[in-house]
Amino acid sequence: GNSVTQMEGPVTLSEEAFLTINCTYTATGYPSLFWYVQYPGEGLQLLLKATKADDKGSNKGFEATYRKETTSFHLEKGSVQVSDSAVYFCALLKYGGSQGNLIFGKGTKLSVKP
Amino acid sequence: DTAVSQTPKYLVTQMGNDKSIKCEQNLGHDTMYWYKQDSKKFLKIMFSYNNKELIINETVPNRFSPKSPDKAHLNLHINSLELGDSAVYFCASSQGGARGKTQYFGPGTRLLVL
Repeated sequence: GNSVTQMEGPVTLSEEAFLTINCTYTATGYPSLFWYVQYPGEGLQLLLKATKADDKGSNKGFEATYRKETTSFHLEKGSVQVSDSAVYFCALLKYGGSQGNLIFGKGTKLSVKP
Repeated sequence: DTAVSQTPKYLVTQMGNDKSIKCEQNLGHDTMYWYKQDSKKFLKIMFSYNNKELIINETVPNRFSPKSPDKAHLNLHINSLELGDSAVYFCASSQGGARGKTQYFGPGTRLLVL
């Protein structure tokens, strides 16, 4: 079946540190891949996405590359800020027929200390 | 100009009650969804719906039913509420369900069943 595995949190970093959150997936076919972010007390916001192999999604200094050979979509940021503290969800879009739904990883909580 | 809105934001109720959560999107999308986020932050699809098809996650109890009066609304009705229904419920919408279609999420409804 389809599934997403992401690294367990919480992850605690100092400001300006390098961030990597690992995400691997299992899927039939060629799913689209997403990173969503959930700030404390808020809903989910799309951070970035990639729809085919070797695509790189980027936004707000975050990047992730769709690696089909390793079935991975790791999230990276070169220099984190306190405002990046949130829960990050990796997801794949499973679709068929007229509809698709997101299958999420369990989320990784990131805390950035000043 | 909120894209996807939900009401209420918070809902506290007694076991056995029947309640509804409303969702509206002003993005002109044709597909809407309900997701449940449990206490461990795990997100799981409950329903996806467009004007052609309702897809129900097989694990969702039949006490939960979506109702769509029009394309812009997908409300969630819950009968005979149980303690285990306590969670955050997110509505989302997208234009179609095919490859790469981004789902936009509402702010969530925090349901507490006492």
